[in-house]
Amino acid sequence: AQSVTQLGSHVSVSEGALVLLRCNYSSSVPPYLFWYVQYPNQGLQLLLKYTSAATLVKGINGFEAEFKKSETSFHLTKPSAHMSDAAEYFCAVTPSSNTGKLIFGQGTTLQVKP
Amino acid sequence: DTEVTQTPKHLVMGMTNKKSLKCEQHMGHRAMYWYKQKAKKPPELMFVYSYEKLSINESVPSRFSPECPNSSLLNLHLHALQPEDSALYLCASSLLDSSTDTQYFGPGTRLTVL
Repeated sequence: AQSVTQLGSHVSVSEGALVLLRCNYSSSVPPYLFWYVQYPNQGLQLLLKYTSAATLVKGINGFEAEFKKSETSFHLTKPSAHMSDAAEYFCAVTPSSNTGKLIFGQGTTLQVKP
Repeated sequence: DTEVTQTPKHLVMGMTNKKSLKCEQHMGHRAMYWYKQKAKKPPELMFVYSYEKLSINESVPSRFSPECPNSSLLNLHLHALQPEDSALYLCASSLLDSSTDTQYFGPGTRLTVL
């Protein structure tokens, strides 16, 4: 069964610093990977998705993620954190059979300090 | 436009009440989903409708009853809920056209059961 592990339930960075949120997946077949962001009291917003077209995926709000098959990772980065980036971030994978199920990691809370 | 709308935004109900949550999308998506999300946790899938037919029921208690009147609307009927059912209820939709099918989420309904 596929699963997603997000390393670090809480990440704190200073404004202007690099943001790195870690996501590892377990899959015996090529996965389809997503990053979602959830601001307080809101729904989930799609940041970016990996569709096998390119290993480096650019998303909204300056975020990007790199798919590394050898490391089974899909880490999310942003060169310079803004206060508005403070939110909950979820990595998710969907089975290649596309059953409609989206398997989420446990989430990482990003805190941005002034 | 990738908008999914949900009403109401907030709902408070007693354990003997009957209420309904509504979800709507006008993106021509063929799959619609209900999720339950507790604080600081990832969303948990409850139901999936594909082409207006229930395709996945994740062993949800019968006090939750989904309904898909047409391809744009999804309801969740609530009856005799328990306080532990208090949560954020998220609706999502997707095109269901490929293995990289992307789910788009609504803002959620914050439900409190007294």
